[in-house]
Amino acid sequence: QKEVEQDPGPLSVPEGAIVSLNCTYSNSAFQYFMWYRQYSRKGPELLMYTYSSGNKEDGRFTAQVDKSSKYISLFNRDSQPSDSATYLCAMSPSNEKLTFGTGTRLTIIP
Amino acid sequence: NAGVTQTPKFRILKIGQSMTLQCTQDMNHNYMYWYRQDPGMGLKLIYYSVGAGITDKGEVPNGYNVSRSTTEDFPLRLELAAPSQTSVYFCASSYLAGGRQFFGPGTRLTVL
Repeated sequence: QKEVEQDPGPLSVPEGAIVSLNCTYSNSAFQYFMWYRQYSRKGPELLMYTYSSGNKEDGRFTAQVDKSSKYISLFNRDSQPSDSATYLCAMSPSNEKLTFGTGTRLTIIP
Repeated sequence: NAGVTQTPKFRILKIGQSMTLQCTQDMNHNYMYWYRQDPGMGLKLIYYSVGAGITDKGEVPNGYNVSRSTTEDFPLRLELAAPSQTSVYFCASSYLAGGRQFFGPGTRLTVL
């Protein structure tokens, strides 16, 4: 079993739709949870950063962490064509290296 | 600030050749990382460094070497290139070990 599991997609949704991306993990020591967005032929860029359980909102995006279920989610409540990218989850215990998911390729159809 | 820069952007190598991928950051970060990204496989950590003069192996270090003589630079050396090293290579840096990582634009390497 991989330490971090993420559905690779691809996922296609119409503009304006609500999108939910998810990762599950097996290491209960993970405390820091991140979502990176990677456009085609570019390096990943940090989108959301959360610590421990709970929700965090930033514009159209909401990150949720459920440590009891070892499950994290990223919601986009008004998806735009410019959101078409690959989304990678990443997580780490305190002061250690990040472990990345394989990424979900998302396309928003105008 | 330029952030994390990588050179070259693209390179084609023949089997058995060697090359160095360059990485520089101007954010005074102590932590630097090298990843490779293969289609559908996510990011695999090759080597990382916690400061000048200190490096350690990641998940897939075989066939690669690194050095860290300054805070800013973290070059990745490929010796005896093999087709299995065809990939996109990303360098990253961070202020904290488990913190936000800043990525470079990547080097697309093909070994034929």
